[in-house]
Amino acid sequence: GAGVSQSPSNKVTEKGKDVELRCDPISGHTALYWYRQSLGQGLEFLIYFQGNSAPDKSGLPSDRFSAERTGGSVSTLTIQRTQQEDSAVYLCASSLVSGISGANVLTFGAGSRLTVL
Amino acid sequence: GENVEQHPSTLSVQEGDSAVIKCTYSDSASNYFPWYKQELGKRPQLIIDIRSNVGEKKDQRIAVTLNKTAKHFSLHITETQPEDSAVYFCAASSPWSTLTFGKGTMLLVSP
Repeated sequence: GAGVSQSPSNKVTEKGKDVELRCDPISGHTALYWYRQSLGQGLEFLIYFQGNSAPDKSGLPSDRFSAERTGGSVSTLTIQRTQQEDSAVYLCASSLVSGISGANVLTFGAGSRLTVL
Repeated sequence: GENVEQHPSTLSVQEGDSAVIKCTYSDSASNYFPWYKQELGKRPQLIIDIRSNVGEKKDQRIAVTLNKTAKHFSLHITETQPEDSAVYFCAASSPWSTLTFGKGTMLLVSP
């Protein structure tokens, strides 16, 4: 596609429910990232997928968070047993990664705003 | 891992003034330094980047400088305009790491 697509754009859920957030990266981009942005805060790294390599999960805040990337394209971020502190905008980004130059130009999606009541 | 510090957290200027945002990084292997702009309610977008083999890069009213010895880099915006108001994020990465972002600077340009 022309850009990074995320869905849903807004999600309101009750505490304790599970949610799934979807990211469709730019076609041909091998790298995919998930970030979390709380109100007025910076970009908190969550997880990174690069091709068929094992994902870098070092940013996931707890075992309630997981993500998968099927077929090297679409990714789903799952939050189980949501808590109020999970409320944030979840941003997905993709890039063409050049391992030699280290240039990772990220293109971000519009984000999924999650509100946990 | 990499640690990126960004200052100031907020910056208020009058239209036409210059604005400078500074970042420091910890990993001497970092060689790529982008800046992203995020307008209110929008997604972050790349505005300029610099690689470690260059000391300065300019694009119209925006310039970025890099001091590898001191491990710091800065964003300079001249002749600021109200539409420059946004949150600006610096970041750094090495050839084998993902980007590490600073915590952001909210720039407010008053008419």
